[in-house]
Amino acid sequence: QKEVEQNSGPLSVPEGAIASLNCTYSDRGSQSFFWYRQYSGKSPELIMFIYSNGDKEDGRFTAQLNKASQYVSLLIRDSQPSDSATYLCAVRDDSSASKIIFGSGTRLSIRP
Amino acid sequence: EPEVTQTPSHQVTQMGQEVILRCVPISNHLYFYWYRQILGQKVEFLVSFYNNEISEKSEIFDDQFSVERPDGSNFTLKIRSTKLEDSAMYFCASSDGGGEYFGPGTRLTVT
Repeated sequence: QKEVEQNSGPLSVPEGAIASLNCTYSDRGSQSFFWYRQYSGKSPELIMFIYSNGDKEDGRFTAQLNKASQYVSLLIRDSQPSDSATYLCAVRDDSSASKIIFGSGTRLSIRP
Repeated sequence: EPEVTQTPSHQVTQMGQEVILRCVPISNHLYFYWYRQILGQKVEFLVSFYNNEISEKSEIFDDQFSVERPDGSNFTLKIRSTKLEDSAMYFCASSDGGGEYFGPGTRLTVT
């Protein structure tokens, strides 16, 4: 059974600080890695995806991938209260038509 | 900005009834998906659809479920005989091969 593991939180971070969210996955064949944000009662919103080892930056967000350690992380710089949400890590294997397997999410709370 | 749309936003049905959930994916996307999320739980994959056929389905997607792309724009999920445990948010998603973009969801309540 392929698994994606996340700490459920809540993770509380002061406004303006860096929030660091972590995720591990069980399937070494996984090729694509995604971070979604989900506000309560809403659908998942794609933040970014990463395919290669290393860092990928998009605005205030940086995704980090280490395939050897089967580890993905998301850094959010200059955290804002509007970043308070549940962050879902998701993983897909080598086919674009394959399913995404989601973690259970980490609840992030940005305190003013 | 193009987006995935879903109708209805909320569907209430009685156990044993058939429901059809509708989705309009992003127009130039080729891959389509249905997921569900029971309240307080993970987002769970149901089925993926590519090139007018199912490419993958989960163990949840049994004979009670079917999908169809009846025309060039719509993508539907049918549940033939609903059970109480089918109550959940159902999300449609589409992709161009990269990340998947989710619609707002249909909340299905089976009574």
